[in-house]
Amino acid sequence: QVQLVQSGAEVKRPGASVKVSCKASGYTFSNYVLYWVRQAPGQRLEWMGWIHGGNGETKYSQKLQGRVTITRDTSARTTYVELSSLRSEDTAMYYCSTAVAGTGGFEYWGQGTLVTVSS
Amino acid sequence: EIVLTQSPDFQSVTPKEKVTITCRASQSIGTSLHWYQQKADQSPKLLIKDASQSFSGVPSRFSGSGSGRDFTLTINSLEAEDAATYYCHQSSNYPFTFGPGTKVDIK
Repeated sequence: QVQLVQSGAEVKRPGASVKVSCKASGYTFSNYVLYWVRQAPGQRLEWMGWIHGGNGETKYSQKLQGRVTITRDTSARTTYVELSSLRSEDTAMYYCSTAVAGTGGFEYWGQGTLVTVSS
Repeated sequence: EIVLTQSPDFQSVTPKEKVTITCRASQSIGTSLHWYQQKADQSPKLLIKDASQSFSGVPSRFSGSGSGRDFTLTINSLEAEDAATYYCHQSSNYPFTFGPGTKVDIK
């Protein structure tokens, strides 16, 4: 079965960077895209970007362009999202997600990683 | 950016009642509209993909319809375990966007 397991909670100072990981299992990692989505407290979900597990192609939200980088390690079946120049508004739950049935819906989700930005 | 609006914001419902949630897109998105259920302190779960296709394992009381700008999620015969916030999501245009959510509470 498809599983996505994320790294643990992080607390960062404003201006710092954070890197969250997502380890995939149960499907052919190199065939599919992995998405990153975040949710600030009490807010709607926000799409951050995606990476293709095979060719490493990426697509980012313009809102976060320049601050967000998504990478992958195919041998480790792990994807990473790094967000730089953190501010308090980046405090959120960060989720990875994937879709293996070839549709636009995000079919499987990680458990989430809480990133808190506080001085 | 395509903006998704949902109505109602909140609905308090008795078990076995029928629930209808609507999602409207700021421009036509064909059928690239998906529905998720998110319970408190949990990750979202896909219910309906491409407007009307049920995701694997989702109870048959959940159904979706619509195309273009207007979409509907229906929960027939609500059960207590359906208390959650429901979000719509479009994957027609970048950036992918989500609706503000509809919270369903059980009376």
